Amino acid sequence: AAGVIQSPRHLIKEKRETATLKCYPIPRHDTVYWYQQGPGQDPQFLISFYEKMQSDKGSIPDRFSAQQFSDYHSELNMSSLELGDSALYFCASSLGRGVRRSPLHFGNGTRLTVT
Amino acid sequence: AQKITQTQPGMFVQEKEAVTLDCTYDTSDPSYGLFWYKQPSSGEMIFLIYQGSYDQQNATEGRYSLNFQKARKSANLVISASQLGDSAMYFCAMREGRRYTGANSKLTFGKGITLSVRP
Repeated sequence: AAGVIQSPRHLIKEKRETATLKCYPIPRHDTVYWYQQGPGQDPQFLISFYEKMQSDKGSIPDRFSAQQFSDYHSELNMSSLELGDSALYFCASSLGRGVRRSPLHFGNGTRLTVT
Repeated sequence: AQKITQTQPGMFVQEKEAVTLDCTYDTSDPSYGLFWYKQPSSGEMIFLIYQGSYDQQNATEGRYSLNFQKARKSANLVISASQLGDSAMYFCAMREGRRYTGANSKLTFGKGITLSVRP
């Protein structure tokens, strides 16, 4: 079965640089979520999109932005990177507006290291 | 206040034995879902099992079962016949109803529990 695809798997950037993370949700899934997981931490919700519109916003810094495109893939853009942005970034997708039973299916994550 | 509480810092279990991972939650929404995810050292987040707030029976998925006690707001994961491959971090997560907005709601995670299976 198709899964959530994230690219790149690993990314190394220097402070103050920019980074773009990409996510391709499971086909027919209409909602995309972005999470940030620091070392030894639980995943923290950043932002979500439903049918290409921003649906919910969490603890996403102003330096970050995201969007969902017409083909449902999503990109997380991160600017002015800081050392504290080093983390595992997950994209997840789910099916069904308001369907609480529908689990979030996670990609393998992008491990971002800022030096 | 913490929505999901996982207080066990680390758990050890002998191979082939059963283990219970604790999770308590806090919500005022009558409609919610509870999820358990497994995160091995390789990093991926794997969905294990779901329990809905209106489900009458405890959820089961193979060797995983959920001991759901609604009045106590607990949703403990039981893993039977532990295997070495079960060694991982386990996260309990909740999705609230958001009926007033109709929006698809995010998952809120607990801090996780590390499970180590001994041969």
